[in-house]
Amino acid sequence: GIQVEQSPPDLILQEGANSTLRCNFSDSVNNLQWFHQNPWGQLINLFYIPSGTKQNGRLSATTVATERYSLLYISSSQTTDSGVYFCAVLSWGKLQFGAGTQVVVTP
Amino acid sequence: ETGVTQTPRHLVMGMTNKKSLKCEQHLGHNAMYWYKQSAKKPLELMFVYSLEERVENNSVPSRFSPECPNSSHLFLHLHTLQPEDSALYLCASSQDMGAGQPQHFGDGTRLSIL
Repeated sequence: GIQVEQSPPDLILQEGANSTLRCNFSDSVNNLQWFHQNPWGQLINLFYIPSGTKQNGRLSATTVATERYSLLYISSSQTTDSGVYFCAVLSWGKLQFGAGTQVVVTP
Repeated sequence: ETGVTQTPRHLVMGMTNKKSLKCEQHLGHNAMYWYKQSAKKPLELMFVYSLEERVENNSVPSRFSPECPNSSHLFLHLHTLQPEDSALYLCASSQDMGAGQPQHFGDGTRLSIL
């Protein structure tokens, strides 16, 4: 099956810092989603991004499908950004998740 | 509010109990999914239903029994579970199973097996 690799596995940020999370995938995909899982386990849709760039407030994402990667940018991080960020690729109707990046934003 | 509601949010049960998890979606979607998330592991797809028919069963033990009575409701019936089944169970829905359809997730049921 398709492999989804996320990096880094862990990230500690000072409040106000910027960061980039990466997602590599091993094969062509129909689509890609970024999620944020908060400390209570809720999985929140951030972006649905097959290609190109999207922005939502302090977050933005870029997917380069031809090179099989996607990037999630967090700018001016806040403590509420803490949690696990998952990349998931849609291939043949199935969503395959990466292992996630655990982000901790300290005050 | 994601449009996908799961109940209960938390469940503690013994290994000999029988319980059910419920998922309801208000998005008019045709496909629904059950995922399992164990500690320190990525989400694992368990079951997929499309138009109320099961189209995927990812080698899930028979002690987990899904039911999809209509396109808005999905259940996961549990019986004689094992301690390793303790996990967060997430339900999701999408417009269809086809290409380019984003999945929307509920808040999950956190299950603990004593």
